[in-house]
Amino acid sequence: GEDVEQSLFLSVREGDSSVINCTYTDSSSTYLYWYKQEPGAGLQLLTYIFSNMDMKQDQRLTVLLNKKDKHLSLRIADTQTGDSAIYFCATNRYSGAGSYQLTFGKGTKLSVIP
Amino acid sequence: KAGVTQTPRYLIKTRGQQVTLSCSPISGHRSVSWYQQTPGQGLQFLFEYFSETQRNKGNFPGRFSGRQFSNSRSEMNVSTLELGDSALYLCASSLGASGENEQFFGPGTRLTVL
Repeated sequence: GEDVEQSLFLSVREGDSSVINCTYTDSSSTYLYWYKQEPGAGLQLLTYIFSNMDMKQDQRLTVLLNKKDKHLSLRIADTQTGDSAIYFCATNRYSGAGSYQLTFGKGTKLSVIP
Repeated sequence: KAGVTQTPRYLIKTRGQQVTLSCSPISGHRSVSWYQQTPGQGLQFLFEYFSETQRNKGNFPGRFSGRQFSNSRSEMNVSTLELGDSALYLCASSLGASGENEQFFGPGTRLTVL
């Protein structure tokens, strides 16, 4: 299977919470990230979590990490139409000689229905 | 502080040609990473340069190469273009080595190979 997996689509109503899930395989990852990509734009780092944490909250964003199950989730509270975008989960995978590289999931397209 | 800039933003080439893309990192950042984004394969890591040295390389053929200059600006080159090279090429910069430091992405260069 893929190193980082995410469901491809999520649709929610404006004002509801969105939960985007991600599973990964590399237990050596020290950082796990969530990026947002809007149409025609590059990636914007939303938040990240250290592997020794199990939760991080940043305004409307909550990241949960279950290291045992290698499961990461991003919860967006009070989802707005401006949150419509593709969300990428990424891990920093150890590639040897003290070096890491980012491995991305295929992205979850979040559609917010007004 | 200016963000990561990439030039050109759009490029159209024909098969067999070569292309050079440029990336200027955020001032003070020493690491530049390149990614290829396609609908089918998602985001794939190409290579990372740190202090003018290639630190990490993804699984791409030798037609893909890069370099970094003393001012941290980076270029990537693709020779003998193929139709499958059509993609969005994203550059990301970070203060130190990628994977352990927050990466900031540029808007990308959209390459179309005809």
